[in-house]
Amino acid sequence: KNQVEQSPQSLIILEGKNCTLQCNYTVSPFSNLRWYKQDTGRGPVSLTIMTFSENTKSNGRYTATLDADTKQSSLHITASQLSDSASYICVVSLNNNDMRFGAGTRLTVKP
Amino acid sequence: KAGVTQTPRYLIKTRGQQVTLSCSPISGHRSVSWYQQTPGQGLQFLFEYFSETQRNKGNFPGRFSGRQFSNSRSEMNVSTLELGDSALYLCASRPQVGPQETQYFGPGTRLLVL
Repeated sequence: KNQVEQSPQSLIILEGKNCTLQCNYTVSPFSNLRWYKQDTGRGPVSLTIMTFSENTKSNGRYTATLDADTKQSSLHITASQLSDSASYICVVSLNNNDMRFGAGTRLTVKP
Repeated sequence: KAGVTQTPRYLIKTRGQQVTLSCSPISGHRSVSWYQQTPGQGLQFLFEYFSETQRNKGNFPGRFSGRQFSNSRSEMNVSTLELGDSALYLCASRPQVGPQETQYFGPGTRLLVL
């Protein structure tokens, strides 16, 4: 069983709409949580990183939240654009330098 | 700074062959990690090298091996290829080893095993 679960597996939205992606994790000891964006045919690019004490982090139209008590994170995308079409991967880093990857959410933004 | 580069970008091999993939990290980065990405499994960690030493290893068979050179460049080798080895192989670099260090990924090498 994957220790980092992402939902939904895929999502289709219309350009200009908002959406929220979810990441639930069970791993510990927790160090930080990152959201990556991966365009088709390219490597992942880091969007945000949050440590235990941070509960929100923004990067332009991307806002990530973290609830370390419930071990849940979300990535909210505002006013979506066609270029937001990509896979979004949640990665949890542990204090022992281990990392756990979610399977990703495939987002498609349609005009 | 130039990003992480990987060569070749695409590769077609047949079962039983072996393959070597190359990764050049961002200048100044001493840690290089390798990942296998497939549609069904997502990103799976292969190994991480730092200062020419393997620091961490994922749960892959011994057919998968790697090494790092003194200039931090890294190679990954897969011997006796199987159909299931078809995947995107990603390399990532970071300045140091540690959970606070962000990894920067290359574009990947797409390997197809026939």
